[in-house]
Amino acid sequence: DQQVKQNSPSLSVQEGRISILNCDYTNSMFDYFLWYKKYPAEGPTFLISISSIKDKNEDGRFTVFLNKSAKHLSLHIVPSQPGDSAVYFCAASEGGSTLGRLYFGRGTQLTVWP
Amino acid sequence: DAMVIQNPRYQVTQFGKPVTLSCSQTLNHNVMYWYQQKSSQAPKLLFHYYDKDFNNEADTPDNFQSRRPNTSFCFLDIRSPGLGDAAMYLCATSREAQGKRNQPQHFGDGTRLSIL
Repeated sequence: DQQVKQNSPSLSVQEGRISILNCDYTNSMFDYFLWYKKYPAEGPTFLISISSIKDKNEDGRFTVFLNKSAKHLSLHIVPSQPGDSAVYFCAASEGGSTLGRLYFGRGTQLTVWP
Repeated sequence: DAMVIQNPRYQVTQFGKPVTLSCSQTLNHNVMYWYQQKSSQAPKLLFHYYDKDFNNEADTPDNFQSRRPNTSFCFLDIRSPGLGDAAMYLCATSREAQGKRNQPQHFGDGTRLSIL
């Protein structure tokens, strides 16, 4: 059963505008969340993370928001650039474990057009 | 640059013929992972090594084995590949320690395995 869900397989955004990628999870024990970006023929690259003690983390153009009560997180990219076109994976790990075992969503293909 | 390297990038094997995929890392990370990713699906953890300790996921088929001869290298062995094993196989590493969880995993570029 999928514990991390990305319900939008694709998103298309014009350059300069905001991209919002969404992720939902079902396991209330998850306490650490990550976003990875993946270009074709490459492995996933770590982008940004957030701990459950926070509700927002920002790194340059990328901001991740966490809503624990809704079990929902989102990644905002502002402004979007054509180079951001990639598959974005949401991932989560469970508290109480000594190992950061990750559960992944299926990914959202972001296309940023000029 | 420190990195995770997977070889080969593409592997074709015959149904039932054993195949080995390799992963090496220069990050000196103590944990190495193997994931299987099928088309349009989430990466699925097969197993991991925490230092020398091997940890198998409960639903990983017996057909899949792994070896870690030293810190830098990890191998994925598929003893008798079936058509359903065609997928992208991703290796990842992380540095984990007591009291210092939540370290991002670093991925290689994967090996795409095809079964004839």
